[in-house]
Amino acid sequence: NAGVTQTPKFQVLKTGQSMTLQCAQDMNHEYMSWYRQDPGMGLRLIHYSVGAGITDQGEVPNGYNVSRSTTEDFPLRLLSAAPSQTSVYFCASSYGDLGYGYTFGSGTRLTVV
Amino acid sequence: GDSVTQMEGPVTLSEEAFLTINCTYTATGYPSLFWYVQYPGEGLQLLLKATKADDKGSNKGFEATYRKETTSFHLEKGSVQVSDSAVYFCALKDSSYKLIFGSGTRLLVRP
Repeated sequence: NAGVTQTPKFQVLKTGQSMTLQCAQDMNHEYMSWYRQDPGMGLRLIHYSVGAGITDQGEVPNGYNVSRSTTEDFPLRLLSAAPSQTSVYFCASSYGDLGYGYTFGSGTRLTVV
Repeated sequence: GDSVTQMEGPVTLSEEAFLTINCTYTATGYPSLFWYVQYPGEGLQLLLKATKADDKGSNKGFEATYRKETTSFHLEKGSVQVSDSAVYFCALKDSSYKLIFGSGTRLLVRP
């Protein structure tokens, strides 16, 4: 059982480059989210989805784009990378209304130079 | 809006000491509450949860009780081990479909 799989694990980008962080889950979870983790700030919600074709913004959506064409996949796109987007990114999924909590991926460490 | 406040770390304890990590929350409704743990280099893992007032969540010797009157969900363990060294996050599920996290508390247990 793979759970939540994130790729890549590490990435270095130059300012202005674009890229997509991949997230896939094999648990048929309806809910998926992207968080970023920065020192001293906990996890902040970027975007989330309550099902295929439905997405919404979280706390810090600027500079990021998402889509949810299938239940399994929830990619996060950085449109034009900036040093302020240097962070660790976590994808998470949940069955039902989050009463069970989230299952997290192992994270992508992104550095923008 | 809804929010979670955790005690700042790091918390440094000797093995077999008693652990308390404080967590308080602000919410307009009746949120579900969670504790997550993050070991070095890994993602977050659900440690325990409570979905209504006076519920007690427990797992791996850790406990937390949902106290509506004090809006708190403090994490406790009677005897910590070196392997408990990690970062602990308190979180609440708000009235929508989001988890809101505290800033995390680093625990370091010395042999």
